[in-house]
This record gives sequence, C-alpha cells and structure tokens, in this order.
Amino acid sequence: NAGVTQTPKFQVLKTGQSMTLQCAQDMNHEYMSWYRQDPGMGLRLIHYSVGAGITDQGEVPNGYNVSRSTTEDFPLRLLSAAPSQTSVYFCASSYGVQGSYEQYFGPGTRLTVT
Amino acid sequence: AQSVTQLGSHVSVSEGALVLLRCNYSSSVPPYLFWYVQYPNQGLQLLLKYTSAATLVKGINGFEAEFKKSETSFHLTKPSAHMSDAAEYFCAVSDVNNDMRFGAGTRLTVKP
Repeated sequence: NAGVTQTPKFQVLKTGQSMTLQCAQDMNHEYMSWYRQDPGMGLRLIHYSVGAGITDQGEVPNGYNVSRSTTEDFPLRLLSAAPSQTSVYFCASSYGVQGSYEQYFGPGTRLTVT
Repeated sequence: AQSVTQLGSHVSVSEGALVLLRCNYSSSVPPYLFWYVQYPNQGLQLLLKYTSAATLVKGINGFEAEFKKSETSFHLTKPSAHMSDAAEYFCAVSDVNNDMRFGAGTRLTVKP
C-alpha cells in the first residue's frame, strides 16, 4: 500500500493564480481531511469529507474548495492564491468517521505564494 | 470547541535522560487524545492514542502517556531519550465527530 500520497511536493504560485493540490489514499478510508501547518500554530483543519460526495468546512476554510467524487481522491483547490496561504499542506485519512480512529498523513505539499 | 495546549515549544534533553512533553486539553465531552511525531520534511505519524480504555497508554518507540481527567492532562514520557527521538511532537484532541484540534507542537532536541 502506498498509503496517502500528495502531489506536488513543492509549488510556487504568484498572487491570484489558482491551483489544485492532489491527495489520494489506497486504504479505502471513509474520512479524508486537509490541514495546513504554520510555525507555532500546529495543524489547522481546512476541509474534511466523511465519504464520497460529502464534504464540510473545518476551522480555516476560506479561500479553499474541495470535492470528493471517489473514495480514493480528495483534491484541494486554491481559487485565487494569496501570500497568507503560504504554508505546508497535509492531507490525511482515517478508517472511520468517528474521532477515535487515528489519521494517516501524507508527506505534505510546501506552497509558497509570492 | 475543544483545544489543546502544549507547554514548551522547545524541550532539550541529554541522551539517556527522561523525556517529558506536556499537554493539557479542554473538552466538554469525553475526549479522544493523540500524540503524533513529525520528523523533518515528513508527515505526522501516530505515537499513541487514548480512547477511554486504560488511562496509561503505551505507544511506539518506548513512549507512553497517562490520561488524567482531574488535571485535563495527557503528558508524553519516555524514560531514556535516544538521538533518534529528536523531532517535533504534537498533541491532539478529537471528539465523536472527528473534529481534531492540534497543539502548537513541541520540538525535542536530544544532546549527545
């Protein structure tokens, strides 16, 4: 199993550009989520999904869109990049939607917006 | 909303010394508590979790944590630090709806 994979590993965008961060998991997990990691702030939840066709907002959703058309894939779209979105982005998945399940994390995408 | 506070953004210990990383949580419902470790340029890996079974939880690499409801704490310990333990450690709290909140992290340095 590859686990949770993310592409690209690194990305530089100019302000106003859009892009999609890809995330896929091969563990047949129901729950998938996106976090951003900023120094001194830990990880903050952007969006999550409890199954194909179902998504919801997390703690910091503004400026991001998600969709989940299949169990495996959960892309994160930046609509119009801003310097405040410079961060490291992690995708995660877990077997169940209930909070006792551990989350499995991808290797991250380091995004810089200039 | 629930939250986590990790006391000390940076902890430094000597190799062979006790490791103690502190975590306090706030939750209005019985929480699920986790410790994750992040090595440089990698994602997070689960060290251990508490889900209302035994209050003393043993994890990987010799780490353990004790859930103390009266103190709302879930501190992480390891009796003897190894150089390979140098990493950033995150405490997290979750509820039945999988609303997971992370602490700011504690960077552990191990001196030879």
